[in-house]
Amino acid sequence: GAVVSQHPSRVICKSGTSVKIECRSLDFQATTMFWYRQFPKQSLMLMATSNEGSKATYEQGVEKDKFLINHASLTLSTLTVTSAHPEDSSFYICSARTQLAKYQETQYFGPGTRLLVL
Amino acid sequence: DAKTTQPNSMESNEEEPVHLPCNHSTISGTDYIHWYRQLPSQGPEYVIHGLTSNVNNRMASLAIAEDRKSSTLILHRATLRDAAVYYCILRYFGNEKLTFGTGTRLTIIP
Repeated sequence: GAVVSQHPSRVICKSGTSVKIECRSLDFQATTMFWYRQFPKQSLMLMATSNEGSKATYEQGVEKDKFLINHASLTLSTLTVTSAHPEDSSFYICSARTQLAKYQETQYFGPGTRLLVL
Repeated sequence: DAKTTQPNSMESNEEEPVHLPCNHSTISGTDYIHWYRQLPSQGPEYVIHGLTSNVNNRMASLAIAEDRKSSTLILHRATLRDAAVYYCILRYFGNEKLTFGTGTRLTIIP
């Protein structure tokens, strides 16, 4: 199946610093990528939808100035958590959409990045 | 988005079939039924999806009720590696987003 990678897999940073997370589709082109956040024992919550070459669309309640998303190419999207605080500690997961057939689409997910802000 | 209802948890013995139910009584004609699973500390993994007809792939089978108000994910022979949270998600054609519910936590008993 299609492969999506994330880097880093885990990161620990000090409060107030910024952290960049990369999401890459390794064997397919992804015009659309998604960013999710998952707190312990909770389900995934969609943060934003990222389309190549255009601005990301953020879900209600997600601060676009805090979570900067860049989708510069068909295989790479980045999420930057700016001025991170302990409450931003979470499991961040990206996914990339691939079109299997004309009317069928499937998302493939990355392995996730665990962020711990001290 | 139409909503799905799944049991919070299920248990099954290793090497036996597992039937994971999902109710979606408000499904519309253009809603696809998707199943993903999430192993501990990993991103979700695509399992299967369908619209009206039953579907089979190397991982599982998807049985869709004739009225489409429910579906069942079938793992034919569970292994310990199938222990995960299984999410049943409806996505209407043209909508890119997947909305995750709480899913079913499947425990496999050796």
